Amino acid sequence: AQKVTQAQTEISVVEKEDVTLDCVYETRDTTYYLFWYKQPPSGELVFLIRRNSFDEQNEISGRYSWNFQKSTSSFNFTITASQVVDSAVYFCALRVYNFNKFYFGSGTKLNVKP
Amino acid sequence: GAVVSQHPSRVICKSGTSVKIECRSLDFQATTMFWYRQFPKQSLMLMATSNEGSKATYEQGVEKDKFLINHASLTLSTLTVTSAHPEDSSFYICSARDRGRGELFFGEGSRLTVL
Repeated sequence: AQKVTQAQTEISVVEKEDVTLDCVYETRDTTYYLFWYKQPPSGELVFLIRRNSFDEQNEISGRYSWNFQKSTSSFNFTITASQVVDSAVYFCALRVYNFNKFYFGSGTKLNVKP
Repeated sequence: GAVVSQHPSRVICKSGTSVKIECRSLDFQATTMFWYRQFPKQSLMLMATSNEGSKATYEQGVEKDKFLINHASLTLSTLTVTSAHPEDSSFYICSARDRGRGELFFGEGSRLTVL
């Protein structure tokens, strides 16, 4: 069975602080994809990143970085120098290869205060 | 720009009425579309998988007679909430798989409020 756990329900930081959102996943499949999505108050899901299970390289995109560690089944997301516009709910998701079903975590609400 | 469009983005209806939500892939063909439901402050839960030209596959616990799904063309799937009740109020999101690229794209979501 597949499962994604985001233990942090809500995080509040002050602007310019760094913040890390945790994601732990469970799957018995050897080939899978991991995703992060941002959901602002308007509701739409904004795609941030996709990683496949064979690529453990960390990735950096501007202020965003992702740390994928298969040994701990974690795919954590760090925002450096956070901004108020980063305030949103962030979802981590898992999709196994050849299946289209997404397994979403419960989401982490990030509040960035000025 | 959005490659998957949902309409309407917001709908308010009276209890007992039926509401149809459309999900369109704008620049690709989608043999498979998915419907999710999101309660306030909760995660997205898959309701059903919609396959073009065939019956939808519903997740356990989802009433197929309550949530009618039709995928009549390669670019359109519809979700009809029949005889809506206040407990059906939720945010409904669709996603579509681009047959060519294999990628999945999400719509902007539709917020249903049943009075």
